Amino acid sequence: GENVEQHPSTLSVQEGDSAVIKCTYSDSASNYFPWYKQELGKRPQLIIDIRSNVGEKKDQRIAVTLNKTAKHFSLHITETQPEDSAVYFCAASKNDYKLSFGAGTTVTVRA
Amino acid sequence: NAGVTQTPKFQVLKTGQSMTLQCAQDMNHNSMYWYRQDPGMGLRLIYYSASEGTTDKGEVPNGYNVSRLNKREFSLRLESAAPSQTSVYFCATEGGVRDEQYFGPGTRLTVT
Repeated sequence: GENVEQHPSTLSVQEGDSAVIKCTYSDSASNYFPWYKQELGKRPQLIIDIRSNVGEKKDQRIAVTLNKTAKHFSLHITETQPEDSAVYFCAASKNDYKLSFGAGTTVTVRA
Repeated sequence: NAGVTQTPKFQVLKTGQSMTLQCAQDMNHNSMYWYRQDPGMGLRLIYYSASEGTTDKGEVPNGYNVSRLNKREFSLRLESAAPSQTSVYFCATEGGVRDEQYFGPGTRLTVT
């Protein structure tokens, strides 16, 4: 099955700086790569996703890049704010609906 | 619209006891999922149901059973709970314009 690795496991950034989280996947047939944000005690929520026919996607301060040749994708958060503090999960899937998640990255934004 | 709901929110079981976690959705989505979340391990798929009447094993199905009662409801049963099943359990549905997964609020289960 699909194996998704996520790095780093924890990330501390100064407010206003950028944060980057990287994921690699094993199955070259995977074609859908979402990112979820989970605040403490809450449910995971989709923040951005990318499909394999696109190399980069942006939504305000967040962006995702995909390198299918290298089988890795990254989340970029610019101008970080305290409300960006959360656990972020990457995931990958083929068209069979099953998402394989990374282990998560705990992001702390220091004021 | 309530979205995805789960009951109970918290549960403590003794080893060997059984229980059923309930999940319901009013989003008219076909696909439903059960995940468990453990520290440092992300979300792992237990079972999923692509449509009413079908269920399939995910990554960690041992010790669990599921029932897709109808389009709205997907339940997860622990027949004989073990301490290794202490976890937070999330139900999710999939659909919408982006085919994204929507998660329920979770059930925190402790097995002593």
